[in-house]
Amino acid sequence: AQSVTQLGSHVSVSEGALVLLRCNYSSSVPPYLFWYVQYPNQGLQLLLKYTSAATLVKGINGFEAEFKKSETSFHLTKPSAHMSDAAEYFCAVNTLYSSASKIIFGSGTRLSIRP
Amino acid sequence: DVKVTQSSRYLVKRTGEKVFLECVQDMDHENMFWYRQDPGLGLRLIYFSYDVKMKEKGDIPEGYSVSREKKERFSLILESASTNQTSMYLCASSRDTGNTEAFFGQGTRLTVV
Repeated sequence: AQSVTQLGSHVSVSEGALVLLRCNYSSSVPPYLFWYVQYPNQGLQLLLKYTSAATLVKGINGFEAEFKKSETSFHLTKPSAHMSDAAEYFCAVNTLYSSASKIIFGSGTRLSIRP
Repeated sequence: DVKVTQSSRYLVKRTGEKVFLECVQDMDHENMFWYRQDPGLGLRLIYFSYDVKMKEKGDIPEGYSVSREKKERFSLILESASTNQTSMYLCASSRDTGNTEAFFGQGTRLTVV
């Protein structure tokens, strides 16, 4: 079965520092992978998605993620953290079930930004 | 602009009550999902539907049922609410192709007392 694992339930970085949020996937077929962000008291918003067109995917708000098949990873990065990046981040994979697809999420990583 | 609308942002219900959570999408999506979100556990899939009147169990279906009588509407039903069903409930929809993302509603925070 396809799944994703997020390493680190809480990550804290200083403003201006590199952000690295880790996600590893388990899949027997090429996966479709996503990163979502959730700001307090809001629903989830798509940051970026991997659909096999390119291994380096750029998303909104300066985030990007690199698909590495050899490491089964899809880590999310941002060169310079901003206070507004404080949120919870979820990695997700789209799995094929029967003739339909369903999306399975990781347990989430809460990102805190120190002034 | 695409939209998934959940009928309530906050609900307080009593133990044993039958609870309906409603979700409507305006994007003509085939797939609709119900997740619950709890701290440290991420989003867990309760049920999903890939067509009208079709439903499949997710990872935690116990204590829940669903209904999809129309393509745009997907209802989550708690037959007899219990305190361990206090949680944030998120509805989502997507097209039925693997490379498309899900769009989420704002969530319903349900408290069972």
